Amino acid sequence: QQPVQSPQAVILREGEDAVINCSSSKALYSVHWYRQKHGEAPVFLMILLKGGEQKGHEKISASFNEKKQQSSLYLTASQLSYSGTYFCGTVSSGSARQLTFGSGTQLTVLP
Amino acid sequence: DAGVIQSPRHEVTEMGQEVTLRCKPISGHNSLFWYRQTMMRGLELLIYFNNNVPIDDSGMPEDRFSAKMPNASFSTLKIQPSEPRDSAVYFCASIQGQNNEKLFFGSGTQLSVL
Repeated sequence: QQPVQSPQAVILREGEDAVINCSSSKALYSVHWYRQKHGEAPVFLMILLKGGEQKGHEKISASFNEKKQQSSLYLTASQLSYSGTYFCGTVSSGSARQLTFGSGTQLTVLP
Repeated sequence: DAGVIQSPRHEVTEMGQEVTLRCKPISGHNSLFWYRQTMMRGLELLIYFNNNVPIDDSGMPEDRFSAKMPNASFSTLKIQPSEPRDSAVYFCASIQGQNNEKLFFGSGTQLSVL
């Protein structure tokens, strides 16, 4: 079953912050985040494993609450290069490598 | 490393024709995935292989779709006969190791069925 992402779209100005949420109805083993630019393949951002960890990469970080089966992606002081569609992918406990993606959140950063 | 290689990049065909999409995973990766991306349905997992064996093909939409992985370095996704609703971008991706590894995507094949 596909995880649910919100919001569907975000428009912000350079330097502003954004949060993208991902939730699942299933118990999760891990959550993956990818970014896709128009006409390109999705590119890996980070993986979070069950255990409630939080990860960060420059000004992009994420958290994973396994009890709530939710993950959030935080984009701080957004840059123009952050524009794209962000996908969360989930691996359910017991599903063995089956990465299912949400419908995506389209992020547009304006100058 | 060359990354995941897909061919062709673009395919335009007429309804009823057979279409074959090809993928070469990254050397040493033992799992391969086929995804289909459309505006309406997003990124859908069609099938995945582990050590060349199909593990889950529940995402394959119909019997018109078939996938094979004859060896560790090559996989095909075939649609026969093709229909206009099959128009989409088809991505192949590979992974090494367990679930906590990142997925490497190919550049995709843009398929248009007229």
